[in-house]
Amino acid sequence: EIVMTQSPATLSVSPGERATLSCRASQSVGSNLAWYQQRPGQAPRLLIYGASTRASGIPARFSGSGSGTEFTLIISSLQPQDFALYYCQQYHNWPPLTFGGGTKVEI
Amino acid sequence: QLQLQESGPRLVKPSETLSLTCTVSGGSISTDNYYWAWIRQPPGKGLEWIGSLYYSGSGYYNSSLRSRVTISVDTSKNQFSLNLSSVTAADTAVYFCARHVRLERNGDYGSIDPWGPGTLVTVSS
Repeated sequence: EIVMTQSPATLSVSPGERATLSCRASQSVGSNLAWYQQRPGQAPRLLIYGASTRASGIPARFSGSGSGTEFTLIISSLQPQDFALYYCQQYHNWPPLTFGGGTKVEI
Repeated sequence: QLQLQESGPRLVKPSETLSLTCTVSGGSISTDNYYWAWIRQPPGKGLEWIGSLYYSGSGYYNSSLRSRVTISVDTSKNQFSLNLSSVTAADTAVYFCARHVRLERNGDYGSIDPWGPGTLVTVSS
């Protein structure tokens, strides 16, 4: 099973600042990685697939990068609605599909 | 626009079977391009994939739950279902249904989108 590890667990930033979230895989997943945003009380929403491709309707301030075992999600200028939980997920070698433990972006 | 909606009992007794149904609207469940998936999230915790099923009935399951899980599809109703047997308090979670990419689309080989809003199922006597 591929283990996904996200850091930090909590990221404290101010509106308008840049947020950098990390995700590490226990073995290479190529570019088969997705990022999701989960606001309180809501379902996760797909932000990024293929490590760097924004999903439909996702603003350009969200960008993903990386391949192999190291990945990054950058939110270039945090808006109030961006304060949420973020999860990475690999689909390179499954079952099982596996998620990281999440990063909470807080004010 | 494809939408998914979970339904089923919100309270299940220990040792009984948890049963949920996901109704898909705005598109057909009988597509070659996607699996239909269940994911859960215990209160205050992260996401755990339960399993993904193709409309023909073939599917994949998380080995940690495999002995207790059955996922099935009803193409006539455009629904798919989850049965989780012998539940304990550890199975208390928000259960999400979702669409899971099966065949490559625009460079996407396996993301999960969209998701249903989720339903909290509590296991308690």
